[in-house]
Amino acid sequence: GAVVSQHPSWVICKSGTSVKIECRSLDFQATTMFWYRQFPKQSLMLMATSNEGSKATYEQGVEKDKFLINHASLTLSTLTVTSAHPEDSSFYICSVPTSGISRLEQYFGPGTRLTVT
Amino acid sequence: RKEVEQDPGPFNVPEGATVAFNCTYSNSASQSFFWYRQDCRKEPKLLMSVYSSGNEDGRFTAQLNRASQYISLLIRDSKLSDSATYLCASGTYKYIFGTGTRLKVLA
Repeated sequence: GAVVSQHPSWVICKSGTSVKIECRSLDFQATTMFWYRQFPKQSLMLMATSNEGSKATYEQGVEKDKFLINHASLTLSTLTVTSAHPEDSSFYICSVPTSGISRLEQYFGPGTRLTVT
Repeated sequence: RKEVEQDPGPFNVPEGATVAFNCTYSNSASQSFFWYRQDCRKEPKLLMSVYSSGNEDGRFTAQLNRASQYISLLIRDSKLSDSATYLCASGTYKYIFGTGTRLKVLA
């Protein structure tokens, strides 16, 4: 599988500010990474697919101007939450898909817990 | 109907017990299925992929029933350390996750 890191692991910010979250694939060159969000006691919800060298594709209902994604290299994708509001407080997790036996297995980073006050 | 559904539990079982979870999926075109384990406030970790023929990894057995559109996870000889939330996922390239089934193994 892939070894994935995220930074920061947790962040507290004030409403209206922007927060950047980094996702790094440490041992695998990832042309694609996925960004998820998980609210307490809820499932992982896919937000967007990050594509190296091109624009991210966003899931329905996710504002691309609010959640900016940049995938500038094969090992790094960043998610910037712009003008954060308390309802953006959540657990943000990235994943790297790798080829398992005839299927793509996803390996997750440790997540970033965002609290907006 | 949700695309992927799981019984949220909790399933409280004694150490050494055998426990099984099911997960139903609605998209018959899904090609891949997985079980993940998620500990409290941590990221999901891949437990096992689910193959059409079924597969086993130690105390864990996963099966796929395409006709009825569900996957299952069987845990034998439960350990205290198995206490966690088990998420199923299905899809082809992008995966949909269930909300998870919470397992508590009691001493």
